[in-house]
Amino acid sequence: DVKVTQSSRYLVKRTGEKVFLECVQDMDHENMFWYRQDPGLGLRLIYFSYDVKMKEKGDIPEGYSVSREKKERFSLILESASTNQTSMYLCASSFQVGNQETQYFGPGTRLLVL
Amino acid sequence: AQSVTQLDSHVSVSEGTPVLLRCNYSSSYSPSLFWYVQHPNKGLQLLLKYTSAATLVKGINGFEAEFKKSETSFHLTKPSAHMSDAAEYFCVVSARTGGFKTIFGAGTRLFVKA
Repeated sequence: DVKVTQSSRYLVKRTGEKVFLECVQDMDHENMFWYRQDPGLGLRLIYFSYDVKMKEKGDIPEGYSVSREKKERFSLILESASTNQTSMYLCASSFQVGNQETQYFGPGTRLLVL
Repeated sequence: AQSVTQLDSHVSVSEGTPVLLRCNYSSSYSPSLFWYVQHPNKGLQLLLKYTSAATLVKGINGFEAEFKKSETSFHLTKPSAHMSDAAEYFCVVSARTGGFKTIFGAGTRLFVKA
């Protein structure tokens, strides 16, 4: 079974703090993703990575950065947390077979910024 | 271009009755289609995926979906709802357009009444 783990299920941080969200997958997948999920807005892609040390902006990268130093680990960084970054953060990894890509998700991290 | 529309934001059924969650898509490419389920405060779990091999796809927990190209639909069904099916369901379309592009539907919340 594919296993994607996230370092925290719940986090509470203060405005201005630097926040690290960690994601680890154990299936040797090339691709990893960070999404945020908000009521009424669905899932929105923040950043993704197709290889180690490689990153691509998604639809809403502002206020975030990422790091992929090892294939299995993809970190999301909030340089200076703000209240509008309170959200559910979902990490995913994927594999590709031909023209199909299947994403597998972690359990999510619910972040509250005060 | 791709898009996905989940036709109902909420569906309510009684336990033991059939479930139908509707999804329409559009894609300029040969799409892959997925259904995911999300229980409260959890990540997304893959229910099933259409791989172009068979139009009727069986998934976990008794769910299945039928790909109908002529109707551009990929509706999710289950013959008999169980209380544990209460969750949010996401229809997802993905296609290779250079890189892969994945679009998530807005979600359908399924309520199951005893």
